[in-house]
Amino acid sequence: DAGVIQSPRHEVTEMGQEVTLRCKPISGHNSLFWYRQTMMRGLELLIYFNNNVPIDDSGMPEDRFSAKMPNASFSTLKIQPSEPRDSAVYFCASSRFQTVEGLPYGYTFGSGTRLTVV
Amino acid sequence: DQQVKQNSPSLSVQEGRISILNCDYTNSMFDYFLWYKKYPAEGPTFLISISSIKDKNEDGRFTVFLNKSAKHLSLHIVPSQPGDSAVYFCAASTTNFGNEKLTFGTGTRLTIIP
Repeated sequence: DAGVIQSPRHEVTEMGQEVTLRCKPISGHNSLFWYRQTMMRGLELLIYFNNNVPIDDSGMPEDRFSAKMPNASFSTLKIQPSEPRDSAVYFCASSRFQTVEGLPYGYTFGSGTRLTVV
Repeated sequence: DQQVKQNSPSLSVQEGRISILNCDYTNSMFDYFLWYKKYPAEGPTFLISISSIKDKNEDGRFTVFLNKSAKHLSLHIVPSQPGDSAVYFCAASTTNFGNEKLTFGTGTRLTIIP
């Protein structure tokens, strides 16, 4: 099990450029989540998918952000155009319908993409 | 509107002593609570969880306590070890299905002093 794989690990781009972050979830997991980590807001949910279908995108900051999940093994988060305030660490996580003794099993997170927009 | 709050950005504890990390929430619909641990340059990893029908759950050195009336939970680590130095996130959910969103706090950086 390779875990959740995110690419790139680091991205530095100029303001106004398009940025695409990629995620490969764990095989067999049918839910995928995109989170953003900032000092002020901690981990905030941007969007999540169940069975490749977007369920809740209310956390997407504005129309400059878009996410897709064309199949069960791949998802992208795109920012176009990027702005300096988008600088943060973006995490992808996946999970499956599973409980352990009635308790949630928790997501598996990737290592994140550190985005810097200059 | 921060529905899950961790009011202490940082905490330092002597090795071998007890570490207590606190978390408060405002949404009464939350029924499940989780703690995650995060090392630098890595993603958060799941640590322990609890449901609202319990007031305590224990896993080795880690115990989570829930006070539902006060909308407060805490994570106790006993004894604290240097490898426990990390950022700890509290999270909450309305279901235990595993496929629903988690609402996270801002995190507490725990430093264990040797």
